[in-house]
Amino acid sequence: DAKTTQPTSMDCAEGRAANLPCNHSTISGNEYVYWYRQIHSQGPQYIIHGLKNNETNEMASLIITEDRKSSTLILPHATLRDTAVYYCIVRVPLYSGGGADGLTFGKGTHLIIQP
Amino acid sequence: ETGVTQTPRHLVMGMTNKKSLKCEQHLGHNAMYWYKQSAKKPLELMFVYSLEERVENNSVPSRFSPECPNSSHLFLHLHTLQPEDSALYLCASSQVSGLAYNNEQFFGPGTRLTVL
Repeated sequence: DAKTTQPTSMDCAEGRAANLPCNHSTISGNEYVYWYRQIHSQGPQYIIHGLKNNETNEMASLIITEDRKSSTLILPHATLRDTAVYYCIVRVPLYSGGGADGLTFGKGTHLIIQP
Repeated sequence: ETGVTQTPRHLVMGMTNKKSLKCEQHLGHNAMYWYKQSAKKPLELMFVYSLEERVENNSVPSRFSPECPNSSHLFLHLHTLQPEDSALYLCASSQVSGLAYNNEQFFGPGTRLTVL
């Protein structure tokens, strides 16, 4: 069962901000929102995560709505190397000692940066 | 470079062959994962090892056999595979602690497997 919905594909001009939306209307109170991306023929790469506050790091910003039912990943100045499939994932943290959890990937958004 | 290496990067095998995929992480993590990515399908979790013990097996066929001899190495042994097993096999690692909410996973580059 998909816990997130994302557009299949998006285009963005090089140098502009890329805004990638994600809907997670059934998110529960203890689930975090994670973003990964996968550049063609490479393994996925972690980008950012958050619970309810907006987050920013050197790669991107994450904006989560107040009701937490949706979020937006922002790449402030997109470059051609940002062309990739972007995955929005919600996951529950594990508090049992020594536990590990795998990631459940959907189909993601194929972001194409146009020169 | 993510600190997770996989060998070989490409593998072609017949249905009667036996081969192994290798993954090594240089990050000091204590959990490792195998994922499968078939053409036009989302990544699928296959196996999870935490502290060198298997904690999850998502109903993967027995022709795939994982092995985790220590926290830095993970293998996927393959035997009598089918052509539909052709896919990109990805390894990942993470650090799991009592408060595991930020244990992001680091992925290797994958092994592109073709079964003839």
